[in-house]
Amino acid sequence: AQTVTQSQPEMSVQEAETVTLSCTYDTSESNYYLFWYKQPPSRQMILVIRQEAYKQQNATENRFSVNFQKAAKSFSLKISDSQLGDTAMYFCAFTLYNFNKFYFGSGTKLNVKP
Amino acid sequence: GAVVSQHPSRVICKSGTSVKIECRSLDFQATTMFWYRQFPKQSLMLMATSNEGSKATYEQGVEKDKFLINHASLTLSTLTVTSAHPEDSSFYICSARIGLDNSPLHFGNGTRLTVT
Repeated sequence: AQTVTQSQPEMSVQEAETVTLSCTYDTSESNYYLFWYKQPPSRQMILVIRQEAYKQQNATENRFSVNFQKAAKSFSLKISDSQLGDTAMYFCAFTLYNFNKFYFGSGTKLNVKP
Repeated sequence: GAVVSQHPSRVICKSGTSVKIECRSLDFQATTMFWYRQFPKQSLMLMATSNEGSKATYEQGVEKDKFLINHASLTLSTLTVTSAHPEDSSFYICSARIGLDNSPLHFGNGTRLTVT
């Protein structure tokens, strides 16, 4: 069975600073994909970043980057230069290669303070 | 980019009535759509996988007779909550993928259902 764990229910960061959100997962498969989704107060789920497990290079998208440690089954999200608009719930998600089901973590509520 | 439209965004209904929620893929064909339920301050719980032209696949514990899913075309899936009760009040979100491999999920805006 696949599981995704986010151990930080809530975090705060000052505007312009850097914050890292943690995610671990468990699977016996070797081909899979990992995602971070953001859910602001509007409740719209927005894709932040994604990572293919076969790629060693960590994905980056502007201020967002990941630290993907395949052996440790860890997939953390780093947000640099935090902005007030980054305030949201962040969900880590996992899916197997060529498979439909997505597994979501329990989420981390991020508060960016002015 | 890919857009998934969900309607209505909010609905209030009386106990015992049925409510239909629509999910449309606007600029791509979605052979598979997913229906999630989200309780306050919790994660997304997959309810069922909706397959175009065939029966939906329900997750364990989800009543298929209560949550009717129809995927009549490549761009439309509907979720009908039948004989709704207050405990069905929740946030329902649909999603779709353009393909498999590393395609992410694209989400609708969600529907907040309140059963009085």
